[in-house]
Amino acid sequence: DAMVIQNPRYQVTQFGKPVTLSCSQTLNHNVMYWYQQKSSQAPKLLFHYYDKDFNNEADTPDNFQSRRPNTSFCFLDIRSPGLGDAAMYLCATSRDPGTSGGANEQFFGPGTRLTVL
Amino acid sequence: GIQVEQSPPDLILQEGANSTLRCNFSDSVNNLQWFHQNPWGQLINLFYIPSGTKQNGRLSATTVATERYSLLYISSSQTTDSGVYFCAVLTGANSKLTFGKGITLSVRP
Repeated sequence: DAMVIQNPRYQVTQFGKPVTLSCSQTLNHNVMYWYQQKSSQAPKLLFHYYDKDFNNEADTPDNFQSRRPNTSFCFLDIRSPGLGDAAMYLCATSRDPGTSGGANEQFFGPGTRLTVL
Repeated sequence: GIQVEQSPPDLILQEGANSTLRCNFSDSVNNLQWFHQNPWGQLINLFYIPSGTKQNGRLSATTVATERYSLLYISSSQTTDSGVYFCAVLTGANSKLTFGKGITLSVRP
């Protein structure tokens, strides 16, 4: 089945120690998104890639970076995790958000729950 | 930006009961999705419904785009329906899904 895969499902890191979360997709979608979701809150978009074009949200801290080496994979790098970065990180994909119709539907992976000690 | 409001914020049901969850939005949309977030945190797609009515088993959804609201109906609720239900919309102006704050549903046996 076509899907969005995230690894690892749970990640523990130390304060200030860089960490990388990964996302892969078999849907062959053009767009990949990274969301941060803190406890009892809605998901918040950090950034997205439309093909190779990177789009950062204005309020995303510089501590968060992303790489998309090919269509299938996208990585979230947290350069110096703080206690406030503990959250669920969700990856999503869509075919084309700029159109109407089903092409803009977003599909989410199972998430990576990050703990910062 | 667009505002998305969901109601009620919390809902407690006895197993077998029916319920209606509401989502109001402040502008026209290209996309409206309903998600169920399970206890493990995964967002499960329930419906893609920018307009019209869809049904999937015990769940159905209706979006009245001209009046800027959507309803999610759950019939014969089960304990596995518990979790948080999010409504999210996408406007033509950008690629960003704007989420409501969610509705926490607890179904008791």
